[in-house]
Amino acid sequence: RKEVEQDPGPFNVPEGATVAFNCTYSNSASQSFFWYRQDCRKEPKLLMSVYSSGNEDGRFTAQLNRASQYISLLIRDSKLSDSATYLCVVPRGSARQLTFGSGTQLTVLP
Amino acid sequence: DTAVSQTPKYLVTQMGNDKSIKCEQNLGHDTMYWYKQDSKKFLKIMFSYNNKELIINETVPNRFSPKSPDKAHLNLHINSLELGDSAVYFCASSQGSDQETQYFGPGTRLLVL
Repeated sequence: RKEVEQDPGPFNVPEGATVAFNCTYSNSASQSFFWYRQDCRKEPKLLMSVYSSGNEDGRFTAQLNRASQYISLLIRDSKLSDSATYLCVVPRGSARQLTFGSGTQLTVLP
Repeated sequence: DTAVSQTPKYLVTQMGNDKSIKCEQNLGHDTMYWYKQDSKKFLKIMFSYNNKELIINETVPNRFSPKSPDKAHLNLHINSLELGDSAVYFCASSQGSDQETQYFGPGTRLLVL
C-alpha cells in the first residue's frame, strides 16, 4: 500500500451537491491527519485537522477510521468556491514530516 | 502582512546554471521546510530546519543545499541545474509542537531550459 493514496478524480459536481473524498494510509502508527486545499497555481492551505474519530467545520466533515486506515472528507452544499484540489496529508513519524497524497481535484459547476 | 514569502516567484534559467531561492517567515515559527511539487502535482518534502539546525534531509541530490542564516530565513541553493529540477518549490513554516499547522509560501516556479 502507498503511504498515502487518494482518488485523483476529477470530481465534477453541481452546486449544492454533497461530495466525499477518501484517502487511505499505510502507517498505522499515525495519530494526526490533515486535509489541505490547493487552489490552481497557489500554495496548499490547511482545511482541517483530524486527531480523533472526526472533525466538523461548517459544511466540511472529516472522518477517521483507524481500523481500516482511511480518512474521508465530506463537503455538503458545495459552492463554486470549493473548486480546488484537496490533499490528504499524513505525518510520517512527526507532524513535521508530512506525506502528501497526490490530491483529488474537485470542480463545482454552476 | 505576508506570513511566508519567497523570492523569486518565477525563475527561468539554462541547464548547468546555479540559482538560489529565498524564503522568509514573520510568524515567529522555529521550523522551516522546503518542498518540491512536480508536474504531476506530487508535493514532497526536501529539507526541514528547526532553529537553524537541519532535522529532515530527504533523498535529494547534493546539488541542492539549504541554508538557514536565522530561524526566520531558509534559502535553497541549487547547483548545476538540470531539466528535471523544473518544478514549483514551496517553502513552509510551523511552530515547534507536533500538532502545529504548516504554513506555505506562494511558491517559486522554476523552469530549466
